[in-house]
Amino acid sequence: QVQLQQWGAGLVKPSETLSLTCAVNGGSLTGYYWNWIRQSPGNGLEWIGQISHSGGINYNPSLKSRVTILVDTSKNQISLNLSSVTAADTAMFFCARSHISRQLTFDSWAQGTLVTVSS
Amino acid sequence: DIVLTQSPATLSLSPGERATLSCRASQDVVDFLAWYQQKPGQAPRLLIYDASNRATGIPARFSGSASGTDFTLTISSLEPEDFAVYYCQQRSSWPPTFGQGTRLEIK
Repeated sequence: QVQLQQWGAGLVKPSETLSLTCAVNGGSLTGYYWNWIRQSPGNGLEWIGQISHSGGINYNPSLKSRVTILVDTSKNQISLNLSSVTAADTAMFFCARSHISRQLTFDSWAQGTLVTVSS
Repeated sequence: DIVLTQSPATLSLSPGERATLSCRASQDVVDFLAWYQQKPGQAPRLLIYDASNRATGIPARFSGSASGTDFTLTISSLEPEDFAVYYCQQRSSWPPTFGQGTRLEIK
């Protein structure tokens, strides 16, 4: 059974770049999309974007100018960079899997990383 | 973006009772709606996809239905572990969006 494990800096300064990584253990990247989703008290759950094993990418238009999602097939990992962060980007960030047949239904989630934006 | 409005915000019930949670979409999402359960300190868990299909390993007491832009999650007989926050989510239109959640609490 696939397990998603994520990590990254929990404290980021304003205007800097938030970086998170998600490792896919016990499963293949192939046949799925790999998503980043964030959750905050003010904005609830918000989909950030997704990438397929072959590098196909979709971003939320509201964040597209600041988001980069990458896949490293050699390591079975996905990464998220969110640039020029502000306090409004403080949230719990999750990586999540979706099957290519239902690429926006999230059937497996990592445990989440709390990221605080503060100087 | 499609707005999903969940009601009620909080539902207080006792174990063994039937729970009915609602989600209304601001426009047609066909049946491309999912339900998730989230417990404190945990990630959301997929319960129902495409309005009425239970995800793998989800007990039969959870069911979903649809009528136009109105969707319902029903828990037939509440177990103690069912008290959590529930979210709906649409995949009909980009970007996918979530409702604000219904908190199901023990009465």
